[in-house]
Amino acid sequence: NAGVTQTPKFQVLKTGQSMTLQCAQDMNHNSMYWYRQDPGMGLRLIYYSASEGTTDKGEVPNGYNVSRLNKREFSLRLESAAPSQTSVYFCASSIQGLYNEQFFGPGTRLTVL
Amino acid sequence: KQEVTQIPAALSVPEGENLVLNCSFTDSAIYNLQWFRQDPGKGLTSLLLIQSSQREQTSGRLNASLDKSSGRSTLYIAASQPGDSATYLCAVLRDTDKLIFGTGTRLQVFP
Repeated sequence: NAGVTQTPKFQVLKTGQSMTLQCAQDMNHNSMYWYRQDPGMGLRLIYYSASEGTTDKGEVPNGYNVSRLNKREFSLRLESAAPSQTSVYFCASSIQGLYNEQFFGPGTRLTVL
Repeated sequence: KQEVTQIPAALSVPEGENLVLNCSFTDSAIYNLQWFRQDPGKGLTSLLLIQSSQREQTSGRLNASLDKSSGRSTLYIAASQPGDSATYLCAVLRDTDKLIFGTGTRLQVFP
């Protein structure tokens, strides 16, 4: 069981470039999430997907798009990267419901110059 | 709006001490509270999850308590070790899908 995996681990972009962060889980979880972590701000939810085929905005969705490709995979796309999107991005997954223990991937460190 | 606060922001203790990390939240309408550990440059590891109907959970040297009415949780670490050095995050589940995180307590345990 790999758990939650993310690619790439590191990425440097120039302002205006686009990229997609990939996330996959092998725990048969229904729900998947994208967070960003910034110093002094804690983790903030960008988007989440409660089930295959559905996505919803979180606290900080502007500048991002997501795709729930299937039950296993949930991608995050930056169409036109900005320096304010420099952050560490974490993907997580959980079994939906009141218990909802979330399991996290190792993160992607993104720098936008 | 739910806000989660963790105090202190940083803590440095000698090995062997028992210590308490604090987490407070402003809205008591939560489904559960989860404590995580984060090592530098790594992802989050779930330590303990307390359901809203529970008062505490234990795992090894860790014990987490929850007092919903006062909006507080504590993480108790017994007999601390250098390997416990990490950042500890608490998060409350608002709705069935939205975790709200605190900013963490950075713990250093020195030999």
